[in-house]
Amino acid sequence: DAMVIQNPRYQVTQFGKPVTLSCSQTLNHNVMYWYQQKSSQAPKLLFHYYDKDFNNEADTPDNFQSRRPNTSFCFLDIRSPGLGDAAMYLCATSRSPITETQYFGPGTRLLVL
Amino acid sequence: GQQLNQSPQSMFIQEGEDVSMNCTSSSIFNTWLWYKQDPGEGPVLLIALYKAGELTSNGRLTAQFGITRKDSFLNISASIPSDVGIYFCAGRDSGTYKYIFGTGTRLKVLA
Repeated sequence: DAMVIQNPRYQVTQFGKPVTLSCSQTLNHNVMYWYQQKSSQAPKLLFHYYDKDFNNEADTPDNFQSRRPNTSFCFLDIRSPGLGDAAMYLCATSRSPITETQYFGPGTRLLVL
Repeated sequence: GQQLNQSPQSMFIQEGEDVSMNCTSSSIFNTWLWYKQDPGEGPVLLIALYKAGELTSNGRLTAQFGITRKDSFLNISASIPSDVGIYFCAGRDSGTYKYIFGTGTRLKVLA
């Protein structure tokens, strides 16, 4: 059974056109993360939520925003996608700092035309 | 951002051979995770390590948490074609919810 679900798996958008990627989890985990991954590089953390507390990485562009309306869902909003934002976007969860294992979803591959 | 040194960067091996890869850090970690990622998919957790010196197996995979807490090793025994993929380590220190990822080891298995 899928535990971390990402939709859609593939997303095509136009340069400058806002796009939203979604993530949901059935694990009831407190922490949700968004990563960007380019061409076989390591995943790069964009931000994470611990419950409702939002934590942005210092080098995450302002173009990237996130929302977590409830425990199960988290969204990544890209306000004005550029060509350089084409990448795989990975959502991950972990239960808490005590249980530290992190689980990833299958990812959404974003293409910017 | 910060990354862990992972080696080797890539490996080509014959089916049936054993594989070893490692991650090193200048920082001390309390947790090491090992993931495998197939093309177009998210990383899948293979092994989690929580204590220095811990040795954990998952089928043909064995991973160790280094005594110094600055490194970790992953071994794959008797490799098979489906072992092909990119293997990432990830380390985390206490007091943070963030993981630092290794640069990845790309494994190719020749039948």
